[in-house]
Amino acid sequence: ILNVEQSPQSLHVQEGDSTNFTCSFPSSNFYALHWYRWETAKSPEALFVMTLNGDEKKKGRISATLNTKEGYSYLYIKGSQPEDSATYLCAFPATGTASKLTFGTGTRLQVTL
Amino acid sequence: DAGVTQSPTHLIKTRGQQVTLRCSPKSGHDTVSWYQQALGQGPQFIFQYYEEEERQRGNFPDRFSGHQFPNYSSELNVNALLLGDSALYLCASSYRGPGVNEQFFGPGTRLTVL
Repeated sequence: ILNVEQSPQSLHVQEGDSTNFTCSFPSSNFYALHWYRWETAKSPEALFVMTLNGDEKKKGRISATLNTKEGYSYLYIKGSQPEDSATYLCAFPATGTASKLTFGTGTRLQVTL
Repeated sequence: DAGVTQSPTHLIKTRGQQVTLRCSPKSGHDTVSWYQQALGQGPQFIFQYYEEEERQRGNFPDRFSGHQFPNYSSELNVNALLLGDSALYLCASSYRGPGVNEQFFGPGTRLTVL
């Protein structure tokens, strides 16, 4: 049984703060790690797919790093804005392509003015 | 491109009834996966359809069944509904090609069982 853990469960920051959260996953048989952003009443939106140890990906103010040897990924948001308020999910596929995803419980981020 | 669409948006049923949820995948996608998200949890994998067959299944009872049509759209059926089936049901589509395939999600169907 795959165990994907995310911390913290929730986070409340002020506009302009930078923040980061963690996704921990089994380090053996690593294939890929997905990060999703999920705003209330919308579809989960794919942010990054990370495959290589040491990978660092960036999309605007959001970036992510990957350490497959120790089994964790960090998601960073620089200069948080209210529109960043969402639940951030990481997901780990059991096997290869188009495989079922095992999700963490998510980190709920709220950014206030 | 409309992306992944699901219908209905919300549904209220009573215990013992049956329900059918529908999903249309993103254009060009051939694989549909269904997930259940209960309150306070991450989405849980139910099953995946490819070439009109169930290819993988999560830890869900046989009351949960599905179907994929030749146009790649899919249905999720739940029989003998229980209160615990109340959840958000998400559909995700992907293309079964080489490499890592991203799964694109629909907005979900909120099922309430009374």
